[in-house]
Amino acid sequence: AQSVTQLGSHVSVSEGALVLLRCNYSSSVPPYLFWYVQYPNQGLQLLLKYTSAATLVKGINGFEAEFKKSETSFHLTKPSAHMSDAAEYFCAVIMNSGGYQKVTFGTGTKLQVIP
Amino acid sequence: NAGVMQNPRHLVRRRGQEARLRCSPMKGHSHVYWYRQLPEEGLKFMVYLQKENIIDESGMPKERFSAEFPKEGPSILRIQQVVRGDSAAYFCASSPPGSTRTYEQYFGPGTRLTVT
Repeated sequence: AQSVTQLGSHVSVSEGALVLLRCNYSSSVPPYLFWYVQYPNQGLQLLLKYTSAATLVKGINGFEAEFKKSETSFHLTKPSAHMSDAAEYFCAVIMNSGGYQKVTFGTGTKLQVIP
Repeated sequence: NAGVMQNPRHLVRRRGQEARLRCSPMKGHSHVYWYRQLPEEGLKFMVYLQKENIIDESGMPKERFSAEFPKEGPSILRIQQVVRGDSAAYFCASSPPGSTRTYEQYFGPGTRLTVT
C-alpha cells in the first residue's frame, strides 16, 4: 500500500522568504512522486515529478524538491516566496498498478504569502 | 491543444435529483480518471476508465454512482439521488496511451457540486 503525509495543512511565509512544504511517503515499491499546485477554484497543475532519475528535481515557477530515500521524504522548496505562490499544494505518490497509474494524494498544504 | 474540459463548472442539485458531470479528455488521450475532493481534504481516486471500459472502480461508492467513457463523446460521472454528502469538487484527469512510463495525468478545472 502507498500513502502520503503532508505535515502542516497551513503554512504562512513572508514574501521573499524560503518556502518549505513537507511531504513524507510510504510505498512498498520504489515510488514516483509528484507535486501539484491548485489555485482557488481551479484544477491541479503539475509542478514537478520524480520518476527515479535525478533526486533533485526542478519544476516550474522556481520550485524544486529533493527525493530522500533514507528519510522517505520529498519536500518542496522555493528560495524566495512570491505573492503569486499563494495556493494549495498537493504531494502525490504514483504507482504503476496493473498497467495504469494509481495515484494517492496527500491532504494538501495551503500556502499563505504575507506581504 | 485544448486541455481537459469539464462541464458544468458549477452544479447545484436538490437532494434526490441526479447529477451528470462531463469530462472531455485532451486530444489523443484514451485514459480518464475521476477524483473527488471533499472540503478540507485531498483528492480521492474514484474510477479509471478507457474507451468503453471501466478498468478500476475501487474508489467509487457502491450505490448511486456510475461512470462511463463511450467510444464517442465525453466521459460521464453520474450520481443518482444526490445527498448533501455528495457536495464536493469532482476532478477529471486524462493521460495518453503509454503514459505508464511518464506517469503524467492532466487535470481539468473540476465541477463543483452543491447539493441543497
